[in-house]
Amino acid sequence: GENVEQHPSTLSVQEGDSAVIKCTYSDSASNYFPWYKQELGKRPQLIIDIRSNVGEKKDQRIAVTLNKTAKHFSLHITETQPEDSAVYFCAASIPGGEYGNKLVFGAGTILRVKS
Amino acid sequence: GAGVSQSPSNKVTEKGKDVELRCDPISGHTALYWYRQSLGQGLEFLIYFQGNSAPDKSGLPSDRFSAERTGGSVSTLTIQRTQQEDSAVYLCASSLGLHNNEQFFGPGTRLTVL
Repeated sequence: GENVEQHPSTLSVQEGDSAVIKCTYSDSASNYFPWYKQELGKRPQLIIDIRSNVGEKKDQRIAVTLNKTAKHFSLHITETQPEDSAVYFCAASIPGGEYGNKLVFGAGTILRVKS
Repeated sequence: GAGVSQSPSNKVTEKGKDVELRCDPISGHTALYWYRQSLGQGLEFLIYFQGNSAPDKSGLPSDRFSAERTGGSVSTLTIQRTQQEDSAVYLCASSLGLHNNEQFFGPGTRLTVL
């Protein structure tokens, strides 16, 4: 089955610096890759997603890149701010045919932005 | 509009007791997912529903775990004869369904088995 690996497990950056989190997946049929942010004690929330027909997507300070050949995708946060501190999860879809897709999540990255 | 809701928010139970966790998805969302998140860990897939059908139960950890969904809406996750290792936050999510749509998460139920 699908396996999603996420690195690093923890990441500390200085406020204003960039942060990059990387994920790899194993199933070449995966075609949807969302990123979720989970603040302490709160529910995960989608921050950006990308589909396999594009290589890059950007939304203000957040961008995601996808390399289908290498089966990896990355989250880039520029000009980090203290409120970016949270756990970030990547995920890859598992096609389920007529029953639809499910997501397999990475183990998460704890991002700490130091001010 | 209303988001995904879950109840109870917290549940403390004794080892060996049965518990039921409830999820109310966003109205109109046909897909519903259950995940388990242990302290400081990632999201472990348990089961998902498309309408009332559960095409994938592969994530259920043991036969003590079961889930149902009736009327294509509310879902309950039942854990029988709870064990201490069942302690975790149980998250429910819903999406418009079928293919590659954003999953909206509920606030979770924190289960503590003493």
